[in-house]
Amino acid sequence: QQQVKQSPQSLIVQKGGIPIINCAYENTAFDYFPWYQQFPGKGPALLIAIRPDVSEKKEGRFTISFNKSAKQFSLHIMDSQPGDSATYFCAANNAGNNRKLIWGLGTSLAVNP
Amino acid sequence: DGGITQSPKYLFRKEGQNVTLSCEQNLNHDAMYWYRQDPGQGLRLIYYSQIVNDFQKGDIAEGYSVSREKKESFPLTVTSAQKNPTAFYLCASSIRNGQGWWNQPQHFGDGTRLSIL
Repeated sequence: QQQVKQSPQSLIVQKGGIPIINCAYENTAFDYFPWYQQFPGKGPALLIAIRPDVSEKKEGRFTISFNKSAKQFSLHIMDSQPGDSATYFCAANNAGNNRKLIWGLGTSLAVNP
Repeated sequence: DGGITQSPKYLFRKEGQNVTLSCEQNLNHDAMYWYRQDPGQGLRLIYYSQIVNDFQKGDIAEGYSVSREKKESFPLTVTSAQKNPTAFYLCASSIRNGQGWWNQPQHFGDGTRLSIL
């Protein structure tokens, strides 16, 4: 019940395409869903985050869609660029006693020129 | 510039040796974290600390130890009891406030890659 399942494991798109990364969770007590972006040899950086009272959030070319009933959320990257090539992690907040972020396993995205 | 500094960037450990990874932040954050990253495994929490002189075990604390004597510093020691220490280690910090510190963004350093000689 504490897992966050992320798919696909890897993704290749052409420049200008719209990669979509999906995450699913079981714990209905989760109340915070961030996405992090990680470039090789660097630490992850927060990209965008959403709370369950909102169905969609946009920041620039990045959009999170949230489906509370299905317990799923996804990241869409509009007009993808080669510079978006990175590993993307979804996560969810554990609203239980430990208050820890629960991380997905990551999606390696490659955007070809 | 405010941020998190991890050192060294690369570290090698001999059999039976303890090594310490440094993590320093100048963001004035109360909460700090240590993660281990292995290929295909995502980020796994080793230890975390909400305030100075207090820390809690994460999901994979065995073979590791930490201290939090100063707000700015949260060093991680990989002991000889950790049988598979080869990994990328990430330190992070976040604001802790009365509304719920766990929902604050975590800011990461650029990691230390530890290998076995």
